[in-house]
Amino acid sequence: QTVVTQEPSLTVSPGGTVTLTCASSTGAVTSGYCPNWFQQKPGQAPRALIYSTNNKHSWTPARFSGSLLGGKAALTLSGVQPEDEAEYYCLLYFDSAQVFGGGTKLTVL
Amino acid sequence: QVQLVQSGDEVKKPGASVKVSCKASGYTFSSYGITWVRQAPGQGLEWMGWISAYNGNTNYAQKLQGRVTMTTDTSTSTAYMELRSLRSDDTAVYYCARTIVQGLMRSDFWGQGTLVTVSS
Repeated sequence: QTVVTQEPSLTVSPGGTVTLTCASSTGAVTSGYCPNWFQQKPGQAPRALIYSTNNKHSWTPARFSGSLLGGKAALTLSGVQPEDEAEYYCLLYFDSAQVFGGGTKLTVL
Repeated sequence: QVQLVQSGDEVKKPGASVKVSCKASGYTFSSYGITWVRQAPGQGLEWMGWISAYNGNTNYAQKLQGRVTMTTDTSTSTAYMELRSLRSDDTAVYYCARTIVQGLMRSDFWGQGTLVTVSS
């Protein structure tokens, strides 16, 4: 069974920069896995941020960017705002199945 | 504007079935798929499966094979997810999301979620 791994938690200061990563138990993450990133705040449905590695939705703030980094998918937040405190999930596509990472709880402190 | 509106919360007994609906509006329903995702209390997101609203093709998570059925009704732009033989660990919020699985794959718009509680 494929496992997708994210950092359980990260802390960043307001105005700072942080990178969240997403690794696959099958090996290096490539663009073929079409990494997607979602933000979820308590009591809310997930909100899509990034699709197919580095594409932003029309509502995605400019401070969010996606990339591939060292064999993993990455989500970078530059100029972090207090409202960015949330859980972040990556999603990878494997042929006929999709797998979510376990999520990263981002604290802005 | 694109909207996905899900049916209301449900309480079921172990062994029963539940059918959650997801009514889409604001786009051409048959041009996209619908992904179903669930989230147990205090836990992460779990991909359950996907259905094409164009031709009804489905892909289900291996652990749910045999217990889950996803369908669509293009006449009402509604997707359905039925889960059978419910257990206590099926207690979760269930979400639907509009999905494209070709080209730049993405799930963009999400429903508000439906809480399914399984309890005797």
